[in-house]
Amino acid sequence: DIQMTQSPSSLSASVGDRVTITCRASQGINYYLAWYQQKPGQVPKVLIYAASTLQSGVPSRFSGSGSGTDFTLTISRLQPEDFATYYCQKYDSAPLTFGGGTKVEMK
Amino acid sequence: QVQLVQSGAEVKKPGASVKVSCKGSGNTFMSYDINWVRQATGQGLEWMGWMNPNSGNTGHAQKFQGRLTMTRDTSIRTAYMELSSLRPEDTAVYYCASGIGWVDPWGQGTLVTVSS
Repeated sequence: DIQMTQSPSSLSASVGDRVTITCRASQGINYYLAWYQQKPGQVPKVLIYAASTLQSGVPSRFSGSGSGTDFTLTISRLQPEDFATYYCQKYDSAPLTFGGGTKVEMK
Repeated sequence: QVQLVQSGAEVKKPGASVKVSCKGSGNTFMSYDINWVRQATGQGLEWMGWMNPNSGNTGHAQKFQGRLTMTRDTSIRTAYMELSSLRPEDTAVYYCASGIGWVDPWGQGTLVTVSS
């Protein structure tokens, strides 16, 4: 099975910072990658699918890039509501594995 | 858009089975796969398996082989996930989520606690 590795596992940042999270697949998955945000006590919410397509209603400060094995989620200017845990997920074929998550904490 | 409502929390003893339901509303329930994802407290998301509500076809992660059963009742737009031979490490919140590939929306989650 393809493994999904996120880095870092956690990071500290301030409001207004640019934040970058990386997700690496152990084999190529084309562009079949989604990013989710999960806040404590809440259900995960999809931010981006097809590696770079912003889900409707998601602020434009979120962006995704990459294809094949290396992907990036970028938050251009971190807002207070963005402190959360972020997960990548491959969906080229089953199993639809999630990355281990990246917790974005306030510095 | 479909909305998913899951059944309530369960407490089970080791070795027992649990069956969680996921009821869909809206016209698109039958159009997309139902996926099951679980999350232990303080841990990440773990994809368990998928089911096509129309055909009933399923697929699952290898680690759940022999323990995971996914079914549906199309007349009431409800999907079910049954996990057998429960162990304490199966304690988690179990989510259903709609989609082919990336998933959205998600149900509200069902806490399953396995304890003697």
